[in-house]
Amino acid sequence: EVQLVESGGHLVQPGGSLRLSCAASGFTFSNYAMTWVRQAPGKGLAWVSAISGGGGSMNYADSVKGRFTISRDNSKNTLSLQMNSLRAEDTAVYYCVRVTGTGWANWFDPWGQGTLVTVSS
Amino acid sequence: EIVLTQSPGTLSLSSGDTATLSCRASQSVSSSYLAWYQQKPGQAPRLLIYAASSRATGIPDRFSGSGSGTDFTLTISTLEPEDFAVYYCQQYGSSPPYTFGQGTKLEI
Repeated sequence: EVQLVESGGHLVQPGGSLRLSCAASGFTFSNYAMTWVRQAPGKGLAWVSAISGGGGSMNYADSVKGRFTISRDNSKNTLSLQMNSLRAEDTAVYYCVRVTGTGWANWFDPWGQGTLVTVSS
Repeated sequence: EIVLTQSPGTLSLSSGDTATLSCRASQSVSSSYLAWYQQKPGQAPRLLIYAASSRATGIPDRFSGSGSGTDFTLTISTLEPEDFAVYYCQQYGSSPPYTFGQGTKLEI
């Protein structure tokens, strides 16, 4: 069974940093691009960042470019999101999601259960 | 960046009805790279439809997707109680950024 389990979300002050992790199992991790999607409280879904299967290509939403860094460790089947200079508007549930192929033009499936990041003083 | 606009924002129906949800793109979605997701309260989204009209594994055949270019539709026939949720469309073109519609809430 494919499983994605996020961790690392908690309360952080504005301007602070946080690192999210996602442990993947049940599939050959390096064969798939991975992505982070977030959902602010009571709002819709917003794509954050994506990384290719080999880890050599990354993309970011304009809203997080220069502040967030996506990475992966294919030897440990782990996806990470380093979040710096956090703002109140970064408050959201962050989902780790598999892209159903190594290329970018693929749908998202499955989704992890999410981890909540709250940015507040 | 392709902007997706979903309508209506909220759809009020009853069990047994047919729901028709719309997703309109600001420019043509290449190769029908469009997906639909269902999200219930407190849960992660779940893939329903990909490539505009292909059902994901385990999705009942009362869910169907159609459309191309800039206009796409998710139809849910003979609504079951468990179908009342929020539905999102998403385009996943040849390269990021990926974009989602704002969602349609299907309520009783």
